[in-house]
Amino acid sequence: DAGVIQSPRHEVTEMGQEVTLRCKPISGHNSLFWYRQTMMRGLELLIYFNNNVPIDDSGMPEDRFSAKMPNASFSTLKIQPSEPRDSAVYFCASSLAAGRGTGELFFGEGSRLTVL
Amino acid sequence: AQTVTQSQPEMSVQEAETVTLSCTYDTSESDYYLFWYKQPPSRQMILVIRQEAYKQQNATENRFSVNFQKAAKSFSLKISDSQLGDAAMYFCAYRSPISNFGNEKLTFGTGTRLTIIP
Repeated sequence: DAGVIQSPRHEVTEMGQEVTLRCKPISGHNSLFWYRQTMMRGLELLIYFNNNVPIDDSGMPEDRFSAKMPNASFSTLKIQPSEPRDSAVYFCASSLAAGRGTGELFFGEGSRLTVL
Repeated sequence: AQTVTQSQPEMSVQEAETVTLSCTYDTSESDYYLFWYKQPPSRQMILVIRQEAYKQQNATENRFSVNFQKAAKSFSLKISDSQLGDAAMYFCAYRSPISNFGNEKLTFGTGTRLTIIP
């Protein structure tokens, strides 16, 4: 079975540019999570969706960040305009929703973003 | 809010020996999930082992086992017969009961970097 698929794997961009990260969750999973990993702050939850609806976006740093989930098989995380402090690895993860499954999150391979 | 604490930023162990990584957490919930994830240099997050709080028996997966002390809110990971491929960052994580709709996120500790000495 295919796991969580993220693209791009690596992105290098210049400050001020728009960045779009993409995620395809595991088929049948109802919950989707976006995490950011940095040396300074570790793994932080940015936002998560349940049945395509954003449930908790309290971790989204500021208005420059936005996330969408137009359908059950696709999500995007957009940064506009990007800044050097956004440089990080961004992980997408999916899981079965409340009341089902074994509780674990399945992670994609991450997108490493470098903003110059 | 739940918190997860890993007090050992780095650990090292001789190949074939046993090592224990510590994790404590804080919660007011009585039922929850605990996990250990491994992140090798490839950066992929890999589930190592899971524990359901309502189960008293400690989880075991081959060379990996946990010591779950619910009253002490402690969840340590023991790796037996350490292998070079075990070298990675290890993250302890907490998840609210999956029946607790709206609070499904994983809360991670800061990680322990494990080095295997040949």
